[in-house]
Amino acid sequence: AQKVTQAQTEISVVEKEDVTLDCVYETRDTTYYLFWYKQPPSGELVFLIRRNSFDEQNEISGRYSWNFQKSTSSFNFTITASQVVDSAVYFCALIEGSGSRLTFGEGTQLTVNP
Amino acid sequence: KAGVTQTPRYLIKTRGQQVTLSCSPISGHRSVSWYQQTPGQGLQFLFEYFSETQRNKGNFPGRFSGRQFSNSRSEMNVSTLELGDSALYLCASSLGATGVGETQYFGPGTRLLVL
Repeated sequence: AQKVTQAQTEISVVEKEDVTLDCVYETRDTTYYLFWYKQPPSGELVFLIRRNSFDEQNEISGRYSWNFQKSTSSFNFTITASQVVDSAVYFCALIEGSGSRLTFGEGTQLTVNP
Repeated sequence: KAGVTQTPRYLIKTRGQQVTLSCSPISGHRSVSWYQQTPGQGLQFLFEYFSETQRNKGNFPGRFSGRQFSNSRSEMNVSTLELGDSALYLCASSLGATGVGETQYFGPGTRLLVL
């Protein structure tokens, strides 16, 4: 069965620091999809990125970057020069094989202090 | 394009009652999924609807049900409410064309409190 682990429950940084959120996944399928979502206090899950298992290219979008490594089953997320507005809970999630069901990690609460 | 909308945003019910939550997907999206979020269990998949048919189902009791209408709008119903049903219920929509690994876009959620 699939599983997503986010070992960091809470992270607190000072503004402008870089921060990396870890995500480790388990799946028996060779085809799968990985996602990151952001959940601000309002509660809505905001989509950040989707990667499929055949595309190990790292991605950068502004201050955000993602490092996908199949060898270690990890899909880590880095925020460069963090800002107070980045404070939120971040979820890593997985869809296996031919499915459509998202399996979420426990989430990491990121607090960026001014 | 308008995002996913959910109504109502907040609900207070008492044990034993039933509740119906509504979700309108992004225009053009035909798949709607529902998730329950609680502090103890995290985010858990309830079910997915596509073309008015349940395409996927999570591990929840039969008290949880849903349906989808021809305009892709969806409702979920919880009967005989229990205290443990207090949660944030999130609806997500996706194109639904392939039903495989598609990006799901979430609504603001309905916060249900059962007393």
